Amino acid sequence: DIQMTQSPSSLSASVGDRVTITCRASRHIDSFLNWYQQEPGKPPKALIYGASILQSGVPSRFTGSGSGTDFNLTISSLLPEDVATYFCQQSYSDQHSFGQGTKLEIK
Amino acid sequence: QVQLVQSGGEVKKPGASVKVSCETSGYSFSAYYIHWVRQAPGQGLEWMGRIHPNDGVSNYGQQFQGRITLTRDRSTGTAYMELASLRSDDTAVYYCARVKIAKFCSGGRCYSSPIDYWGQGTLVTVSS
Repeated sequence: DIQMTQSPSSLSASVGDRVTITCRASRHIDSFLNWYQQEPGKPPKALIYGASILQSGVPSRFTGSGSGTDFNLTISSLLPEDVATYFCQQSYSDQHSFGQGTKLEIK
Repeated sequence: QVQLVQSGGEVKKPGASVKVSCETSGYSFSAYYIHWVRQAPGQGLEWMGRIHPNDGVSNYGQQFQGRITLTRDRSTGTAYMELASLRSDDTAVYYCARVKIAKFCSGGRCYSSPIDYWGQGTLVTVSS
């Protein structure tokens, strides 16, 4: 299986900060990379697919970048409602896999 | 509207099996894979497997090989996940979710759609 490694595992930032979360694949996955946001007690919500394509209805402050093995999710200006856990997921192989998650908090 | 409605919570003893259902509606069942993802308490997401709605071919996560069986009933648009030989660390919320089958290529890059709808989750508790 392809292993997905996210960093950092947790992050504390101030409202208005630019925040970046990194995801690395154990081998090449082209652009088959999705990002999800999960609030406590709820299923995840898709933010980005194809590494950089914004899912319908997602605010433009979220951007995704990268291809191959290294990917980033950036929030351009952090808002209080962005407090959540963020997961990357590869869909390149027939066995998909998630990163371990990044818990984002407000300072 | 699109709905994925899962069966209710289960309590099982170690060594037993559990079967969770996922009844879909509001979309073309044949156009979307059904994926299964679980989340242990306070932990991350773990991809378990997926099933093709038309031919029933399944792919499983390596850590579940030999213990998991995915099936579907095309006539009712319902998918099932059965996990055998349960252990205490199988205690988790189990989600079904859909993913569009079609893949896309543009400008030399290829990608697939994300999970866009999830079931409400089914808590499976394994305890003696």
